[in-house]
Amino acid sequence: SQQGEEDPQALSIQEGENATMNCSYKTSINNLQWYRQNSGRGLVHLILIRSNEREKHSGRLRVTLDTSKKSSSLLITASRAADTASYFCATDAGMDSNYQLIWGAGTKLIIKP
Amino acid sequence: DAGVIQSPRHEVTEMGQEVTLRCKPISGHDYLFWYRQTMMRGLELLIYFNNNVPIDDSGMPEDRFSAKMPNASFSTLKIQPSEPRDSAVYFCASSEGPRRAFFGQGTRLTVV
Repeated sequence: SQQGEEDPQALSIQEGENATMNCSYKTSINNLQWYRQNSGRGLVHLILIRSNEREKHSGRLRVTLDTSKKSSSLLITASRAADTASYFCATDAGMDSNYQLIWGAGTKLIIKP
Repeated sequence: DAGVIQSPRHEVTEMGQEVTLRCKPISGHDYLFWYRQTMMRGLELLIYFNNNVPIDDSGMPEDRFSAKMPNASFSTLKIQPSEPRDSAVYFCASSEGPRRAFFGQGTRLTVV
């Protein structure tokens, strides 16, 4: 079953603008991860935030995590055409060796030049 | 490191035929995942292995699907017999514990 739910489902912005995507989940988690998928390619890991972290940065990416609201957001600043892709959040809620990532449906981001 | 390697990249087969998808995970990774992605259903976890042992295969659609991991460097996903509704992109991913997963480029399967 899908635990993470991203919104919006699709987002179209002008190059240079900031893009914000949100992810909500249902159960307690160990960590939450964001991935990018370019059309026709495999998913690429962007950033992992642990349950005891509230914010994390990586280049133009900023991820926040609010465990009380069971939600996370991914902010891409100063967007570029190359950021056009689908973005997925994945939650790890497993215990011991029962580890698996539970995926949302993704947000399709289009950056208009 | 070459990353996760999947083969073939594309497969077109006739309904009823057996299809075998292959995956070589990243050396040293102890988890291996098989996913299926379609427009209708998004990304679905089919099965995953930990140290070559299947842990959760509840996502495998039906008995026509089977997966094996005979050793740490190789896994197969087999569909027999294949049906048109199996058409999808199948991804293999591996990870070292509960951390970031590395995905292969996927196998685009078309069953006609």
